[in-house]
Amino acid sequence: GESVGLHLPTLSVQEGDNSIINCAYSNSASDYFIWYKQESGKGPQFIIDIRSNMDKRQGQRVTVLLNKTVKHLSLQIAATQPGDSAVYFCAEIENAGNMLTFGGGTRLMVKP
Amino acid sequence: EPEVTQTPSHQVTQMGQEVILRCVPISNHLYFYWYRQILGQKVEFLVSFYNNEISEKSEIFDDQFSVERPDGSNFTLKIRSTKLEDSAMYFCASTARTSNSPLHFGNGTRLTVT
Repeated sequence: GESVGLHLPTLSVQEGDNSIINCAYSNSASDYFIWYKQESGKGPQFIIDIRSNMDKRQGQRVTVLLNKTVKHLSLQIAATQPGDSAVYFCAEIENAGNMLTFGGGTRLMVKP
Repeated sequence: EPEVTQTPSHQVTQMGQEVILRCVPISNHLYFYWYRQILGQKVEFLVSFYNNEISEKSEIFDDQFSVERPDGSNFTLKIRSTKLEDSAMYFCASTARTSNSPLHFGNGTRLTVT
């Protein structure tokens, strides 16, 4: 049988649409944030990062937004593709520390 | 692109046995980590390692666990007297520096304790 664990929120989008995945963090001392993608049976894969002195950073098809006032982080994926289907985790590091703390994750499902 | 490699990909062991999970971090990285992910749950920090010693560890990382860098390339996690609840994916990660530098993860070892 299945193990009992956290129920992952799921975002289902149509191929080609834009996706927005949200994350709330609680540690106001965190100053560096990372989004990871985890496909089934694999380790977390780095997508994009942002420092606390920025509020937006863009990569290839991805944008991360940081709102420190409300401790909120989002990942925007443009023109979502079936290969984007995975679990996405935000992670944070407290300033001067080296311990990366992961959030609970969101499952992205892309419908062809 | 350099990557973190972990062996074995799947380890099955009996309760009470000792296991050693192996990792080869990216070659120029100096900071090494072990994380754990129980099925369906989030990734949890176990321990960080720098300059041949533990720099931080979580409450999970009790006396049952130990880490070692036996040579210039390997980084190992030893779990003594395994328990059923140790069953999980164990991920190794490394980074070149701690300041504003992402951790790079391996694909994990799935540990099944029976």
